[in-house]
Amino acid sequence: GNSVTQMEGPVTLSEEAFLTINCTYTATGYPSLFWYVQYPGEGLQLLLKATKADDKGSNKGFEATYRKETTSFHLEKGSVQVSDSAVYFCALAGYSSASKIIFGSGTRLSIRP
Amino acid sequence: GAGVSQSPRYKVAKRGQDVALRCDPISGHVSLFWYQQALGQGPEFLTYFQNEAQLDKSGLPSDRFFAERPEGSVSTLKIQRTQQEDSAVYLCASSSTSVWETQYFGPGTRLLVL
Repeated sequence: GNSVTQMEGPVTLSEEAFLTINCTYTATGYPSLFWYVQYPGEGLQLLLKATKADDKGSNKGFEATYRKETTSFHLEKGSVQVSDSAVYFCALAGYSSASKIIFGSGTRLSIRP
Repeated sequence: GAGVSQSPRYKVAKRGQDVALRCDPISGHVSLFWYQQALGQGPEFLTYFQNEAQLDKSGLPSDRFFAERPEGSVSTLKIQRTQQEDSAVYLCASSSTSVWETQYFGPGTRLLVL
């Protein structure tokens, strides 16, 4: 079945450091791929998405590219801020209204000032 | 406009009690999903509604779990005879149309079964 594997945390970085959180997936067909973020005390929010191979999703300085050849969707940011401290979830879904989202286990990111 | 709301935000139940968790989706959203998030894990799918029809309940862990959405808006997730392993955060999400759109998540209900 479909599944998502992401880099285990926690990850601790200094402010302005470069961030990569790895994510790989297993799926039949052509899923859509997502990164969701959960800030402390808040609900899950969609950070970015890509719906087909080679698409790049981007938002708030974060980027991820849908790589079908390596079945990956790694999250990157060039210069992290303290406010980026949160739990990040890689996820996938099929293209239909009945498509449940399958989440990875999450990566906790902490940024030191 | 208002987002997805859930109530109660926190629920403590004694083992064996029944609980009911409510989800108010964004007005007009056709699709509604329930997920269960155990501590330190990602959310896992429980069930899906399109309007009032429950089209997928493959993720419900046992027949103690029951969900309904009788008028195609508010949904209730009911857990009968709660067990300690039911302790988790229960998330509700809704999306707008019959074609896949972004799912908007509520803040969740944290259930603790003692």
